[in-house]
Amino acid sequence: EVQLVQSGAEVKKPGESLKISCKGSGYKFTNYWIVWVRQMPGKGLEWMGIIYPGDSDTRYSPSFQGQVTISADKSISTAYLQWSSLKASDTAMYYCARLDGPMATRPPIDYWGQGTLVTVSS
Amino acid sequence: QSVLTQPPSASGTPGQRVTISCSGSSSNIGHDFVYWYQLLPGTAPRLLVYRNNQRPSGVPDRFSGSKSGTSASLTISGLRSEDEADYYCAAWDDSLYVVFGGGTKLTVL
Repeated sequence: EVQLVQSGAEVKKPGESLKISCKGSGYKFTNYWIVWVRQMPGKGLEWMGIIYPGDSDTRYSPSFQGQVTISADKSISTAYLQWSSLKASDTAMYYCARLDGPMATRPPIDYWGQGTLVTVSS
Repeated sequence: QSVLTQPPSASGTPGQRVTISCSGSSSNIGHDFVYWYQLLPGTAPRLLVYRNNQRPSGVPDRFSGSKSGTSASLTISGLRSEDEADYYCAAWDDSLYVVFGGGTKLTVL
C-alpha cells in the first residue's frame, strides 16, 4: 500500500527555521516525483515545487523560488520542505504528494500525505 | 486567486445529484486532462477522477467527471452524508506545473 506520512504540526515564531518531512512507503521512492502543495487558511491549493528523489532534480514554482528549499534523502525514503526564516504568512497546511509517472507525461498526483499544519505566530 | 475557477460552495440533500464546475483556459484545461480531489479534514486528499472521467479503483461510480473545452465538472449522484467535503479540480498548465481550483465546499443538508 502506497503511503506518504508527514511529520506533525509545528508552532514557530517569525524568523525561526523549520524543516518538515514526508516519508514514502509501499513503492520505489526513488522512481516517483514528490510535490509539495500549500493550502493557506480558507484558500485553495498551490503547487510549491517538486523533487525527483532518484537524482534530487528539483524545480520550484516561481512564487516559491527562493522562499523554501525542497530536498530528499533517498536512503530513508524521505522528502523535506524547509524554511530558513519563517514569516506569519507561511502559516498554512502543507501537503506532500506523489506524481504517478514521469513529469514529461503530465501525470496525475495520485497519493497524498495527511498534511502538516505550520503555524507561525509571535 | 486560483488559476482554475470553482464555485465556493454547493449543497444537496441525501440521494440528490450535485454538479461542481471548474473553469480554466487554453493553457491548462483546454489541452490537458482534468483531475478531481476530495479533501476531508484530518485525512489525506483523495484522487476521485483522473484523465477527465476515469475513476481510480475504490472510488464509487457515484462520482463521475466530464470535460468540454476549457471547463470541466464533477457530478456526485446519490449524495450521501459522507460526501460532505471540499472538492478541488486540477490540471497541468503550460507553465509545467499543476494548477488547482479554489475548492468547493459541499454540504449535505
